[in-house]
Amino acid sequence: QKEVEQNSGPLSVPEGAIASLNCTYSDRGSQSFFWYRQYSGKSPELIMSIYSNGDKEDGRFTAQLNKASQYVSLLIRDSQPSDSATYLCAVNRRDYGGATNKLIFGTGTLLAVQP
Amino acid sequence: DGGITQSPKYLFRKEGQNVTLSCEQNLNHDAMYWYRQDPGQGLRLIYYSQIVNDFQKGDIAEGYSVSREKKESFPLTVTSAQKNPTAFYLCASSIGAGIGNTIYFGEGSWLTVV
Repeated sequence: QKEVEQNSGPLSVPEGAIASLNCTYSDRGSQSFFWYRQYSGKSPELIMSIYSNGDKEDGRFTAQLNKASQYVSLLIRDSQPSDSATYLCAVNRRDYGGATNKLIFGTGTLLAVQP
Repeated sequence: DGGITQSPKYLFRKEGQNVTLSCEQNLNHDAMYWYRQDPGQGLRLIYYSQIVNDFQKGDIAEGYSVSREKKESFPLTVTSAQKNPTAFYLCASSIGAGIGNTIYFGEGSWLTVV
């Protein structure tokens, strides 16, 4: 089992729809969760971080965390063609007594927003 | 502007050559990281450094070396021992190395073996 799993996609949604991106992780002790957006040929840029169970909203983006189910998701409302990118889920791994911030990345989900 | 600068953006390496990728940050971050990205495999951690003069191996350190002589600099050397070095290399940094600190990325360096 991979430490962080994402559906590779592509996930295709029409412009204006809600895009739902999902991620599961294996380390029950993980405490920090991040969503990055990566355009083709570019470096990842941070979209959202979430640390507690529940929802966290930032503009058109909502991150959802369920630690009991080891599941984190990202919702994008009113999807725009400019949202078309690969979305990477990242989860911290506890190493060296839990003191070190090592992020484990999923392979990413390719989102395509159709105009 | 504050940020993370990687150079060169594109680099070609001949078989048996060592090459060094530069990474400089002016964010005053203590922790720095090197990741490698291959198609379909996500990002994998090569090395990380929590503080000056200290660094630790990540998940795929074989064939790579680093140094951290200055807080703002964390160069990565890809040695001839790295058998499959063609990849997109990403340098990153965070305020501290503690869990929960957000990691920010530079623009990346493309390395191709010719």
